[in-house]
Order: sequence, then structure tokens, then C-alpha cells
Amino acid sequence: AQKITQTQPGMFVQEKEAVTLDCTYDTSDPSYGLFWYKQPSSGEMIFLIYQGSYDQQNATEGRYSLNFQKARKSANLVISASQLGDSAMYFCAMRESIRDDKIIFGKGTRLHILP
Amino acid sequence: GAGVSQSPSNKVTEKGKDVELRCDPISGHTALYWYRQSLGQGLEFLIYFQGNSAPDKSGLPSDRFSAERTGGSVSTLTIQRTQQEDSAVYLCASSLRLAGYQETQYFGPGTRLLVL
Repeated sequence: AQKITQTQPGMFVQEKEAVTLDCTYDTSDPSYGLFWYKQPSSGEMIFLIYQGSYDQQNATEGRYSLNFQKARKSANLVISASQLGDSAMYFCAMRESIRDDKIIFGKGTRLHILP
Repeated sequence: GAGVSQSPSNKVTEKGKDVELRCDPISGHTALYWYRQSLGQGLEFLIYFQGNSAPDKSGLPSDRFSAERTGGSVSTLTIQRTQQEDSAVYLCASSLRLAGYQETQYFGPGTRLLVL
């Protein structure tokens, strides 16, 4: 079964608009961590933001914020005021328990920002 | 400082040949990961090393795949008797494994493997 689900294979968004990329996860462990990465066409993986399961507040990093809804097992990435340079693949990832160091990735969402 | 480096950046090989892919993690990083990314797909976990612990090999797709990490630093991923379906980008990442979860993985540029 999928541990990380990203239901949007592709999205088109107008420049300057906000965009929400969906991510749901599955773990039975109360202690876990969630990550978002960006992969531009160059292929490099760029870390964007992290959310710990016990963090009281939603994580924010500049224009990136994470809408963490623990009860729904949802960790959506919100990009405010989108820019052309935001066009890329975006991956949600999870370290699912304290006993497992493995980090697993979703299949990604390809975001296209339109001028 | 230097990031994660991988070599070669591109590798073209014939079906049935063995290949070795190398990863140099960031100095001092105790955790090292290998992932495979097929064209247009997500990252598939292959193997994970943490310090001197036994590696987590649960993601290796077959016994043709193996990896080692010498001296807690450089890692080599070996694919024996390559098949066309092994064609992908192989990504290596390292992190400084701390008590919590917040350490970030730093990725290398990847090795693009093409099996003809």
C-alpha cells in the first residue's frame, strides 16, 4: 500500500496565484517527520520544508508553508505568490517512525506556472 | 562546503554487463541513502546506511543489486548483469542523523544509467 500519496500528477497555475499541492500519508507510529522537495528540470533535489509530527505549529519557510492536518494525515504544501521559477516536480516524503530511518517518497506532482 | 558528489554522471552500458556507481557523501554525514528514479517517476528507495549499523536493504529490487559503504564514507552501488529496465537515474543522499527527524537529506546530482 502507498505510504505517501500525491493525487495530483500535474497542475497548471497562473503566475502570482497561490497553489496547494496535496499529500496524504499513512503511518501507525505517533512519531514521524514529513518533508517536501522540489526537483526542477535540471534534476537536482532541493529541500523545501519539514514538519514533525509533534510540532505544534505548521512549518513555514518563506513562500512555502505546510498545511498539516494530523487527524486527516494530510501535509499539503502551499506556495504563495507563485513564480515562473516554481515550475518543477514536487515530492512529499516521510520518515515514518523512530524505529525506521528510511525516508520514502510520493510519486510527485508536476507544477507548471503560467505567465 | 562540498556537497554530495556522484560518479559517473552518465553511464551507458550493454545489457548483461556489471556497473558500479559511486557516491561521496558530505563529510561527517552518518546516513547515506540510494534511490532510483525512472523517467518521470518518483523516487524509489533502494538502500540505507547509518553509521556502523547493518544497512537497510529492503528496497533493493533483486539480488543483482548490492551496495557497500567503506569506512563510513564513500558508497558504491553495484548492479550485476544489467537489464534494460535498470535504466534510470540513481540518486544518492546523505544526512547527519540526529536524535530527531529534522535532519535534511542532501542529494547528489545523480548518475544517469542507460542500458542498451
